Amino acid sequence: AQSVTQLGSHVSVSEGALVLLRCNYSSSVPPYLFWYVQYPNQGLQLLLKYTTGATLVKGINGFEAEFKKSETSFHLTKPSAHMSDAAEYFCAVSFGNQFYFGTGTSLTVIP
Amino acid sequence: ETGVTQSPTHLIKTRGQQVTLRCSSQSGHNTVSWYQQALGQGPQFIFQYYREEENGRGNFPPRFSGLQFPNYSSELNVNALELDDSALYLCASSLVADTDTQYFGPGTRLTVL
Repeated sequence: AQSVTQLGSHVSVSEGALVLLRCNYSSSVPPYLFWYVQYPNQGLQLLLKYTTGATLVKGINGFEAEFKKSETSFHLTKPSAHMSDAAEYFCAVSFGNQFYFGTGTSLTVIP
Repeated sequence: ETGVTQSPTHLIKTRGQQVTLRCSSQSGHNTVSWYQQALGQGPQFIFQYYREEENGRGNFPPRFSGLQFPNYSSELNVNALELDDSALYLCASSLVADTDTQYFGPGTRLTVL
């Protein structure tokens, strides 16, 4: 069975500090992995995705994530948080045409 | 701006009623997926349509059904509404050549009383 676990439903960081949002997956086959961001009253926006190739993936708005097969992880990082990064973040895996999302992590940025 | 629109933005229904939610995909996006996002949860895959045929389904009962039209619009129909159907319903479109990249609409908030 495929599943996604996001550790920490709420994360708070100071403006300018490192952002680290954790995601672990369970899969019997190599998955495709994604991070999405959701702002209030909006749909989801793709931040980045890993399919094959380089395990360090760079996305929009300065975010990046590293696929670690041995740890079954795909953690999202950003070196310096901005106030505009405050949002809900979802990790997801896809198998064929089905996507499985985690329960989300709400990021608060403290001025 | 993803180009995916959904209507209505909010909807209130009572238990047992039927509802139709609509989605207009980006031009050229011939694959559309629908998701249910309960409060405080991640989106759950309902089904996907490709070329007007259902092309995969999540763990949802048959009272959740859909239609896809040649003009890149689609519908999600839910019969016999239950209280637990209250959620944000999202549609996402993609090109069949790149179904990994989904473009989400803003969603329809359905409240069942």
